[in-house]
Amino acid sequence: SAVISQKPSRDICQRGTSLTIQCQVDSQVTMMFWYRQQPGQSLTLIATANQGSEATYESGFVIDKFPISRPNLTFSTLTVSNMSPEDSSIYLCSVQHTLAGPYNEQFFGPGTRLTVL
Amino acid sequence: SQQGEEDPQALSIQEGENATMNCSYKTSINNLQWYRQNSGRGLVHLILIRSNEREKHSGRLRVTLDTSKKSSSLLITASRAADTASYFCASVPGGGNKLTFGTGTQLKVEL
Repeated sequence: SAVISQKPSRDICQRGTSLTIQCQVDSQVTMMFWYRQQPGQSLTLIATANQGSEATYESGFVIDKFPISRPNLTFSTLTVSNMSPEDSSIYLCSVQHTLAGPYNEQFFGPGTRLTVL
Repeated sequence: SQQGEEDPQALSIQEGENATMNCSYKTSINNLQWYRQNSGRGLVHLILIRSNEREKHSGRLRVTLDTSKKSSSLLITASRAADTASYFCASVPGGGNKLTFGTGTQLKVEL
């Protein structure tokens, strides 16, 4: 397993501003992911955070809006840029150990609840 | 959308009863996983079933998988109030490692 922390746990932001969310893992992991969960909805994958290279974004998500960094194997950040009320969501990071094979469970952080006014 | 569907959307039962949730997915998979989420917080992994498995047990949880129907079910036996949460299935396609989540089932277990 893995212990994952996210900062901040919640925030209320003004429209047009940006927020950077941090994800810290207690061990080195191969794969890190960022998800969005809109109110009352399921989770949607935003991107895969790649260590030392640009993130891989899913359809409908772009780097200018959601820049991601992953400087090492235990840390990643997601920035929500130029926010609008539609960005109000829970943002979750997850990790996956792939040394035992790529098809295993992901472990999720506690999430960051973002409200944009 | 490639998102899977779950039914029911919401389920309310009495403590001690069994709860069954169903999940359908759209593409061929390597495995399917079930997660629990309490009150909009982080997800907790419950169980993983591989495409060559038909049934799996873990404590009070029983998961079945029917790849011909692209469906799975999660059974929670002898439910407890602490089982109140949202439950999501997530499929992993063959050759990939990305999770595609279902729409979720909100379970409420009443005393």
